[in-house]
Amino acid sequence: GAGVSQSPRYKVAKRGQDVALRCDPISGHVSLFWYQQALGQGPEFLTYFQNEAQLDKSGLPSDRFFAERPEGSVSTLKIQRTQQEDSAVYLCASSRHRDRGRYNEQFFGPGTRLTVL
Amino acid sequence: AQKITQTQPGMFVQEKEAVTLDCTYDTSDPSYGLFWYKQPSSGEMIFLIYQGSYDQQNATEGRYSLNFQKARKSANLVISASQLGDSAMYFCAMRPSIQGAQKLVFGQGTRLTINP
Repeated sequence: GAGVSQSPRYKVAKRGQDVALRCDPISGHVSLFWYQQALGQGPEFLTYFQNEAQLDKSGLPSDRFFAERPEGSVSTLKIQRTQQEDSAVYLCASSRHRDRGRYNEQFFGPGTRLTVL
Repeated sequence: AQKITQTQPGMFVQEKEAVTLDCTYDTSDPSYGLFWYKQPSSGEMIFLIYQGSYDQQNATEGRYSLNFQKARKSANLVISASQLGDSAMYFCAMRPSIQGAQKLVFGQGTRLTINP
């Protein structure tokens, strides 16, 4: 498919477990974003990559959250020692350009629903 | 800091009627972009329409139009001739246009239900 894909779609983890969430952006897209969406809320920004460089990680809630995009394509969001408050949908988005032009909209994946027991 | 406010948690509309979803925003940035996204039950965010803060005309995309009132800091989404498939969550979002500030700031969303 030509869209953003994420895996797994659903993840159940026991409290204290480490998890890794994968995002495959649209081929050729320079920018990649991670958002966290709690139940009944709007998405909240976590971090942003331009190619392999992580330019903004101001939204990561704690040092248990870590994201990487080593080759400027696929990205992984890792959460260490998961807590119940980490339960949410994690959305990945990509955009074509690095600038802020009119058509530089973000295309979202279906998200990964993480449930921490 | 930027903030988006959507004051309507839920809206119920009869099929084929027009509906307006409210969005107000707060920012000190001189230029910015405003977006509306649709999120069906499948979870994916679908881009609907964009308005730049310096655009002279209100944006339109098919049945979607954006009622942009800059002085009031509002960017309401108007859906004409609503369809059953329009039932979903709708999010208003903002992105500043300054260097490096790529992230979107979202509102709480409005759940729209179209009744047959």
